Amino acid sequence: GQNIDQPTEMTATEGAIVQINCTYQTSGFNGLFWYQQHAGEAPTFLSYNVLDGLEEKGRFSSFLSRSKGYSYLLLKELQMKDSASYLCAVTLDNTDKLIFGTGTRLQVFP
Amino acid sequence: EAQVTQNPRYLITVTGKKLTVTCSQNMNHEYMSWYRQDPGLGLRQIYYSMNVEVTDKGDVPEGYKVSRKEKRNFPLILESPSPNQTSLYFCASGGAGGGYTFGSGTRLTVV
Repeated sequence: GQNIDQPTEMTATEGAIVQINCTYQTSGFNGLFWYQQHAGEAPTFLSYNVLDGLEEKGRFSSFLSRSKGYSYLLLKELQMKDSASYLCAVTLDNTDKLIFGTGTRLQVFP
Repeated sequence: EAQVTQNPRYLITVTGKKLTVTCSQNMNHEYMSWYRQDPGLGLRQIYYSMNVEVTDKGDVPEGYKVSRKEKRNFPLILESPSPNQTSLYFCASGGAGGGYTFGSGTRLTVV
């Protein structure tokens, strides 16, 4: 079976840094996505990691360790608008099938 | 503009009345997929399609049908909707290399 785990909820303060972890156990692995989703809206793409290491994109960075089945999303200089759910998703070997974790709801407080 | 278009955005229907949710993409993607999203359960895949005339079941296919007669369209059909199919539905298209694009969602209520 496929298993993708993330914390259910996290809270943080405006201006701070937060790290959202994702662990996965899947039959095969191609790459890992992070999506942001505001309540009732469509998920929007944040990052895609295929190789081990850190990918930085503005205030957001994503890290992948394939050997450990582990990824994290790092959000810096948090803003109120970053309050949203963050979804970890995995694509399997040689397919485009995208499987999601249950998401982490982040609340940013002033 | 590259996009995935879903219709309708909101739908209230009665148990047993057949309905179709349409999904269309203008990016020439081979891969398309349908998800439902329920509180605490995340996005669960209903059906996906790797190409025209190729469809496969996802994790929660019961009560749903799909078709892929042409590359751009991937409608979701509920032949006899039931209240447990009340949910938020998303269509997506794309591929790992280029990322996945989601439609704006369809909030379905079955009474």
